[in-house]
Parts: sequence; C-alpha cells; structure tokens
Amino acid sequence: AQTVTQSQPEMSVQEAETVTLSCTYDTSESDYYLFWYKQPPSRQMILVIRQEAYKQQNATENRFSVNFQKAAKSFSLKISDSQLGDAAMYFCAYRSDRYPTNTGNQFYFGTGTSLTVIP
Amino acid sequence: KAGVTQTPRYLIKTRGQQVTLSCSPISGHRSVSWYQQTPGQGLQFLFEYFSETQRNKGNFPGRFSGRQFSNSRSEMNVSTLELGDSALYLCASSLAGVPGNTIYFGEGSWLTVV
Repeated sequence: AQTVTQSQPEMSVQEAETVTLSCTYDTSESDYYLFWYKQPPSRQMILVIRQEAYKQQNATENRFSVNFQKAAKSFSLKISDSQLGDAAMYFCAYRSDRYPTNTGNQFYFGTGTSLTVIP
Repeated sequence: KAGVTQTPRYLIKTRGQQVTLSCSPISGHRSVSWYQQTPGQGLQFLFEYFSETQRNKGNFPGRFSGRQFSNSRSEMNVSTLELGDSALYLCASSLAGVPGNTIYFGEGSWLTVV
C-alpha cells in the first residue's frame, strides 16, 4: 500500500515570508497524482495544488509551488509571501492512476502539518 | 453553484446505537467518497460510490456501510457504534471519479460516541 509521510507536525512562518512544507511518499507505481490540501478551522478540505507524476514541470498556483522529485519520492510545498489566511493544517495526498485498476478517488493522506502565520 | 453538503453537521450518539450520515454532492457529480478523520489515525478512506455502485472500499469493519442513490446523493451508516468511531466524517465528490478529476470536500459531520 502507498504511504505518505509528513515529518513536520508543526511549522511557523512570519507574515510575508516563505515557508516550505515537506512530504515524502512510498509507491511502486509509476503513474499517480500528488496533492496538497489545506484544512482551515472550518475543517473543509481545500485543494491547494496538484501534480501529475508524468509531468516533469513543477506545478504552481499563485503563491504556492511544489518541488516534485520523482526519483526521491519527495513532494514539498512552498508558500511565498505568507498571509494570515494561510494558517491551517496542510495535508499531502497521493492518488493512483494505474489503469485499468485505478482506485478512483481513494486518496492516501499524510498526517498533516499545522502551519502558524505570525503577524 | 452549491458545494458538497453534509448533514447533520454535529451529532452525539450512545455506544451500541447506529447512525446515518448524508452527503449531497455538487450538482452533476457522480462519484462520492467518504473519509474518516481522527487525531490518532488521520484521514482514512472508507469507500467510494459511482453511479450507485460501490467501486472501492477501505479497511474498515462491516459495521461501516454506505449507499448511493440515483440522484448521486450518498449515505453512510455505522451500526453498533463504538467509542472509537468518534470522528469527523468527510464526504467528497467529483464529476466522473477518474484520477484527473478534481474532487471537492464537504465540511464534514462530527460524530461523538459516548
């Protein structure tokens, strides 16, 4: 089974600064998707960014970008110009894309990193 | 358009009772999946339904079951509740349930078992 590891239970960053959250995963598959989700106090999971494993180019979404190292099975999230609204729990997630037995919407989540933004 | 709606948002049950949670997906979405979130175990996949059929199931006992209706709304049921079933139950929906589709989560149903 796939496993996702987030080794930083808590992180903090000064407002306007940059922070990087780490994620590693273990899989024997070659085709998959990786995600970062944000879970604010409301508990609703919000998609931050997505990376297809077959793409070499790192995904970016405004202030959010990833460093995807497929060989190292590493998928870190960089948040630039941190804002108070970025404070939340961040989860790294894996989803298989193995055809024809791909597992639909079965995600494997890491244990999360709680991000605090200091004014 | 309306997001994923879960009801009830909060509930308290007694050990041994059963509970039913409901999830209304985003209009047009045919795939609904359920997750359990606890402080100790994190987020764990329960099952996924697509076009009224269970397509995949996580490693949970048979006390956990679900179904999906023709309008894509889904329910999950937990029978013979145990204290360890206390958790946030999250529902997620997507258009076709294929890996390329973005999935959207609801705000969850908080279940407390006493």
